[in-house]
Amino acid sequence: DAGVIQSPRHEVTEMGQEVTLRCKPISGHNSLFWYRQTMMRGLELLIYFNNNVPIDDSGMPEDRFSAKMPNASFSTLKIQPSEPRDSAVYFCASSPRSSGGNSYEQYFGPGTRLTVT
Amino acid sequence: GQNIDQPTEMTATEGAIVQINCTYQTSGFNGLFWYQQHAGEAPTFLSYNVLDGLEEKGRFSSFLSRSKGYSYLLLKELQMKDSASYLCAVRWWGGGSYIPTFGRGTSLIVHP
Repeated sequence: DAGVIQSPRHEVTEMGQEVTLRCKPISGHNSLFWYRQTMMRGLELLIYFNNNVPIDDSGMPEDRFSAKMPNASFSTLKIQPSEPRDSAVYFCASSPRSSGGNSYEQYFGPGTRLTVT
Repeated sequence: GQNIDQPTEMTATEGAIVQINCTYQTSGFNGLFWYQQHAGEAPTFLSYNVLDGLEEKGRFSSFLSRSKGYSYLLLKELQMKDSASYLCAVRWWGGGSYIPTFGRGTSLIVHP
């Protein structure tokens, strides 16, 4: 199993530019999560999907952030326009839905390190 | 809202035992997770507790007391590779869905 795949791994962009982060969850997983991690705020949930449907987006900072999941194997997180305070590591995670045990354990991708100058 | 507290940093000696505590205040509690995160890497799952008591998995054990809003992660026979950040995460039911919330993490430094 390839695990959760994210691209790009690193992104450096200038303030005002559009940034698109991509994620491919583990095949068969029904839930997908987008997180942002910074030293100041730790790991913050931005949005998550169940069966491709957005369930909770209360963590999305503002209208500059949007996320989509057009099918079970792909999701994007877009920032437009980007600002220096968006600099962080963005993680995508997926989770199976099963009964008992470690159900809802999340498998994290390697992350995208975003730097906005 | 949800509140999760854990110490910022701990140090321990190789071969020793260390306990990392986590306290939480949340409504609709539905499970507590511990994740390990090495510097520059993604978090990886360690343990899950939804009922009171101790869950043991090799050198790592996790304990939960729902009435006290308290959990700990116990690491035995510490190894240098255990130096990492340990994240406590609570899953809670809110707004018609399960929502995971992570603590800020405890940075564990294991020295020889």
